[in-house]
Amino acid sequence: NAGVTQTPKFRILKIGQSMTLQCAQDMNHEYMSWYRQDPGMGLKLIYYSVGAGITDKGEVPNGYNVSRSTTEDFPLRLELAAPSQTSVYFCASSRGRGETQYFGPGTRLLVL
Amino acid sequence: QKEVEQDPGPLSVPEGAIVSLNCTYSNSAFQYFMWYRQYSRKGPELLMYTYSSGNKEDGRFTAQVDKSSKYISLFIRDSQPSDSATYLCAMSPWGAGSYQLTFGKGTKLSVIP
Repeated sequence: NAGVTQTPKFRILKIGQSMTLQCAQDMNHEYMSWYRQDPGMGLKLIYYSVGAGITDKGEVPNGYNVSRSTTEDFPLRLELAAPSQTSVYFCASSRGRGETQYFGPGTRLLVL
Repeated sequence: QKEVEQDPGPLSVPEGAIVSLNCTYSNSAFQYFMWYRQYSRKGPELLMYTYSSGNKEDGRFTAQVDKSSKYISLFIRDSQPSDSATYLCAMSPWGAGSYQLTFGKGTKLSVIP
């Protein structure tokens, strides 16, 4: 199993551009989530999904959108990128409620 | 008061020392408690996972949860240079919110050979 994979590893965006961060898992996990991690800070939940077709906002959803059309994939969309979205983005998945969450390697995003 | 407080360090110890890492929290609904280890430029990896109060041991690592004090700890015995990383505590409540982890800021640990 590849586990949780994320692409790209690193990206530079100009202010106002948009992009999609990809996340995929091959463990047949129902639950997936997106976090962002700023320097010296813990991870903050952006969006999560408890199954295909079901998504909900986390602590810091503004400026982001998600969709979950399949169990395997959970892309994160940034519209109109802003410097405040410069961060490292992690995707995670777990089998279910209260289960261990497995994290991907992260995507480093720089908005200039 | 933040939901989860964790001293960011940095913490520097000699090889072989016992390391104590701690978090306090304010939300009494938290039932699941985790410690993640994060190496530089890598994703967090689960180190220890406990449910409710008590102790859990895994090799050189021991996790303790004291719900009455809202305090969790991670002890590392016989610390090694390979333990040098940032340690993040995380927790979640029972029920519908159990999918949502709340993280501490992380403590950066350096083990000096």
